[in-house]
Amino acid sequence: KNEVEQSPQNLTAQEGEFITINCSYSVGISALHWLQQHPGGGIVSLFMLSSGKKKHGRLIATINIQEKHSSLHITASHPRDSAVYICAVLPEETSGSRLTFGEGTQLTVNP
Amino acid sequence: KAGVTQTPRYLIKTRGQQVTLSCSPISGHRSVSWYQQTPGQGLQFLFEYFSETQRNKGNFPGRFSGRQFSNSRSEMNVSTLELGDSALYLCASSKGSLQGTGELFFGEGSRLTVL
Repeated sequence: KNEVEQSPQNLTAQEGEFITINCSYSVGISALHWLQQHPGGGIVSLFMLSSGKKKHGRLIATINIQEKHSSLHITASHPRDSAVYICAVLPEETSGSRLTFGEGTQLTVNP
Repeated sequence: KAGVTQTPRYLIKTRGQQVTLSCSPISGHRSVSWYQQTPGQGLQFLFEYFSETQRNKGNFPGRFSGRQFSNSRSEMNVSTLELGDSALYLCASSKGSLQGTGELFFGEGSRLTVL
C-alpha cells in the first residue's frame, strides 16, 4: 500500500462544477503539498499545509492531521484547470524536501 | 524575478553513457531538490542540497549523484545509463532553512531518453 493515496485517479467535470480531490496518507507528517502539473511537465506548487485550511482564488485546500486526510477543492471549475493534481507529504522523521508523492489525479474540465 | 531554470530541456543518450543536468534556482534560494518522474513509478525524490551540502538522499543507486555550487546552482549526474533511467528530471528550489524547506518552486524539467 502506498504511503500516499489519492482519489479519484481520473476526474471529468463540466465547466462550472465544484471539484474535490482527496489525499490520504499513512504516516505522521510535518507538511503536505498540493501540486499542479500541466502537459509538458512543469509543476506549480499550489499549497503547503501543516494544519487547517488555505484558500487561493478558486482553490481551497484543507487538512485533518488526526484523520491523515487532505482535500483540494476547485470552485467554478474552468477548462484551464485541466491538469494532473499531485499530493505530496513530508514525513515527520524527515526534513527538507524529501517528499513522498501520490500518483496524481488527472482532471479534465470540459467547456 | 527569474524562475528555476533547468538545462538541457531534452536530451537523448545511449545505454552506458553518462549525463549531467543543471538547475539554476531562484536568486536567494539556498535549497535545491531533485526528483525523477516516470510513468511507472511516478514522482520520486532523488536528493536535496542546502548550502552546498547534501541534506537528504532518496533510494536511488550510486550511479545517481549531485552537487551544489557556492552560487546555489546544482547539477545532477547519472553514470552508466540504463533504459530505465529514461524520465523527466525535475528540480525545485526553495529558500530553505536548517529546519525545513518551505514552498517549492519547480523548473520545467529535463526529459531524458535513453536508447
